[in-house]
Amino acid sequence: GIQVEQSPPDLILQEGANSTLRCNFSDSVNNLQWFHQNPWGQLINLFYIPSGTKQNGRLSATTVATERYSLLYISSSQTTDSGVYFCAVEESKTSYDKVIFGPGTSLSVIP
Amino acid sequence: EPEVTQTPSHQVTQMGQEVILRCVPISNHLYFYWYRQILGQKVEFLVSFYNNEISEKSEIFDDQFSVERPDGSNFTLKIRSTKLEDSAMYFCASNRQTYNEQFFGPGTRLTVL
Repeated sequence: GIQVEQSPPDLILQEGANSTLRCNFSDSVNNLQWFHQNPWGQLINLFYIPSGTKQNGRLSATTVATERYSLLYISSSQTTDSGVYFCAVEESKTSYDKVIFGPGTSLSVIP
Repeated sequence: EPEVTQTPSHQVTQMGQEVILRCVPISNHLYFYWYRQILGQKVEFLVSFYNNEISEKSEIFDDQFSVERPDGSNFTLKIRSTKLEDSAMYFCASNRQTYNEQFFGPGTRLTVL
């Protein structure tokens, strides 16, 4: 099955700093989503981005499907950005619809 | 904006007891899923459900688990005889068609004592 890797595994930022989180996947995908898991454990849907670039406020994401990676940019980070960021993909070579999650990047933003 | 809801938010149960986790998917969605996240680990697929049938299940989804859509709105996950290792966050998700964005509920934290 498809493998999903995320880097870095952990990241500590000073408030106001920018960061880039990376997701690599081993095979072609039908869709790709980025999630933020908040301290209460809820999964917040950030982007549905099987290809191209999207922006939402201080966050933006780019997926280059042909090269099998996606990037999540966080600009002017705030303490509320802390949490775990997951990339999740749906493999295109199967007829099944399950989403495979990466291991996550744990982000801590300190004041 | 419509969203997936889950109840309860936190369930505590004794080992060996049966639990039912409930989900209300987005109303015009047709595909439903359960995922599990053991504390500190990644989110894992359990089962997908379409047209009142399981379409795929993972190795985790053994005979102690079952899913049901008892009416037009609810989607449930039943664990027949809970074990300590079933303690986890359980997420329900839905989408309108396959290979589309999946919308996740807020999760139910299950604690088995």
